[in-house]
Amino acid sequence: EAQVTQNPRYLITVTGKKLTVTCSQNMNHEYMSWYRQDPGLGLRQIYYSMNVEVTDKGDVPEGYKVSRKEKRNFPLILESPSPNQTSLYFCASSLRPLGGTSTDTQYFGPGTRLTVL
Amino acid sequence: AQSVTQLGSHVSVSEGALVLLRCNYSSSVPPYLFWYVQYPNQGLQLLLKYTTGATLVKGINGFEAEFKKSETSFHLTKPSAHMSDAAEYFCAVSGVTGGFKTIFGAGTRLFVKA
Repeated sequence: EAQVTQNPRYLITVTGKKLTVTCSQNMNHEYMSWYRQDPGLGLRQIYYSMNVEVTDKGDVPEGYKVSRKEKRNFPLILESPSPNQTSLYFCASSLRPLGGTSTDTQYFGPGTRLTVL
Repeated sequence: AQSVTQLGSHVSVSEGALVLLRCNYSSSVPPYLFWYVQYPNQGLQLLLKYTTGATLVKGINGFEAEFKKSETSFHLTKPSAHMSDAAEYFCAVSGVTGGFKTIFGAGTRLFVKA
């Protein structure tokens, strides 16, 4: 089954304790992306990756890091989490960057709810 | 900078009534436009998208949207609402200036009354 998986689904942590949220897709997609969702703000893009070893900042990259060492995985790293990073996080992937052929679709993972105390 | 505005954070309709969710974008060139739906405690699912070609786009679950360049709009409609349509809907743009970012609107929560 084609899917995007995220782990963990729920996480409560404390300020300053490094954490990693994993994202994996099994569709051989080139483009992967991380978003955070906050009430009244919709989804905001944190980072995206065009392919292995190619990443770029989205609109809200401060406080986050990413890596793309393998095509299928795109982990999100919070090296020193703060309470303002409490949010719902989504990973997504598509065959190519959005805006390509009409067959391109962005698939979303189930989300990770992060609470930073 | 690119932006997406969804008019109305909450929309309430009666079952069987027309659904109209509004989306306007700012862009100096025609963008790629998307509508997503999010059911409670789930991820986002693509409803429909406009890239090029026909400006009236049909999606899943009976939804459609029309790209109007002159109005910079991409409103989502469905002729007859069903209880199962209750969800949050997001409009998004991509492929415009600024690389390959995707910009989402703040979302519109649709309530369907029996």
